[in-house]
Amino acid sequence: KQEVTQIPAALSVPEGENLVLNCSFTDSAIYNLQWFRQDPGKGLTSLLLIQSSQREQTSGRLNASLDKSSGRSTLYIAASQPGDSATYLCAVSPIKAAGNKLTFGGGTRVLVKP
Amino acid sequence: NAGVTQTPKFQVLKTGQSMTLQCAQDMNHEYMSWYRQDPGMGLRLIHYSVGAGITDQGEVPNGYNVSRSTTEDFPLRLLSAAPSQTSVYFCASSYGGETQYFGPGTRLLVL
Repeated sequence: KQEVTQIPAALSVPEGENLVLNCSFTDSAIYNLQWFRQDPGKGLTSLLLIQSSQREQTSGRLNASLDKSSGRSTLYIAASQPGDSATYLCAVSPIKAAGNKLTFGGGTRVLVKP
Repeated sequence: NAGVTQTPKFQVLKTGQSMTLQCAQDMNHEYMSWYRQDPGMGLRLIHYSVGAGITDQGEVPNGYNVSRSTTEDFPLRLLSAAPSQTSVYFCASSYGGETQYFGPGTRLLVL
């Protein structure tokens, strides 16, 4: 059974510092990995999707890497801002035919202090 | 595009009552799914569908039913609500298992 872990569970940084969020998974047979952002009381917003054949994906200040063989992904957020305060979740999908069968990590709650 | 919509936003039920959580998407996505989110347990898959007429169970399906008669709608039915079903429920959709789009959630309290 796939297990996804995110450490640390919470993180507090001063504004301007780079954020590094970690995600590890036990079964390397994945189709893709996604990073999501969740604001309090809201739904999830997809930030980046990395296919199993890719090593990294970038969008603006966000960069996500994937090392499938070691079962790890890292989300980097450059020059953090107070608006980046949220919970960040990673999720893996087993195979394309499995549709939306995502397995989620527990999330990292981020606070960026002005 | 409204994206993924969920109704109601909040619901209080008594133990034993039944209800249907509605989910609709206007993106012509074939894949849809239901998750519940609980403190300390994270998001867990309840049921999912890869197309109209096709559904399957996820990790925590007991006490829930689904059907998918159209591409747009994927309702989740609670047959006899229990306090253990108090949770926040999210519906999601995607095209071919790619980027997932989530609804705003339904907060359910079962007394």
